[in-house]
Amino acid sequence: DTAVSQTPKYLVTQMGNDKSIKCEQNLGHDTMYWYKQDSKKFLKIMFSYNNKELIINETVPNRFSPKSPDKAHLNLHINSLELGDSAVYFCASSQALREKLFFGSGTQLSVL
Amino acid sequence: GESVGLHLPTLSVQEGDNSIINCAYSNSASDYFIWYKQESGKGPQFIIDIRSNMDKRQGQRVTVLLNKTVKHLSLQIAATQPGDSAVYFCAEKDNAGNMLTFGGGTRLMVKP
Repeated sequence: DTAVSQTPKYLVTQMGNDKSIKCEQNLGHDTMYWYKQDSKKFLKIMFSYNNKELIINETVPNRFSPKSPDKAHLNLHINSLELGDSAVYFCASSQALREKLFFGSGTQLSVL
Repeated sequence: GESVGLHLPTLSVQEGDNSIINCAYSNSASDYFIWYKQESGKGPQFIIDIRSNMDKRQGQRVTVLLNKTVKHLSLQIAATQPGDSAVYFCAEKDNAGNMLTFGGGTRLMVKP
């Protein structure tokens, strides 16, 4: 059983399109996150939700909108995709805000 | 601003040798540190953590050392195996923050 699963694994799309990435965790964790990893492997947090409530919103364009329908899901919707959005996006979860994170396997987004 | 870790260098070791991966951090308020391993095409995987009230913590074949005086963290891997080949990240949380801040990562290559 996959603890943190995200879909799709690969996403190739044209500039200007709108796309979503879905994430689900079956660990019973309260907190979920989205991280972006660039081509140099640098990981940067984008958002964090605790019990469906947004608690961290780093400097991310408002084209990115997270949605948490319940504690086990955190989806990421991206409007008007740009070339610079190409990266690997990781979903993660933790039992509490300050505990270790469990990551999904990533979604490689390529904007053409 | 304050930062964690280093840009992505590469450490190449012979199979069976010990590996030491280093990480520098600058936030003196950080009180929790984690090492993650990321294999190609996968998400970061938790290896070991340490809190600031400890100097050393051991796991299976891995040891983390924390030197708060010089703000330095290291991961030691004993008897390195080909399966240890990956990118290793250190990460930190400060005593007030909700975010896990990642360093730039180190690529470990194990030669057979």
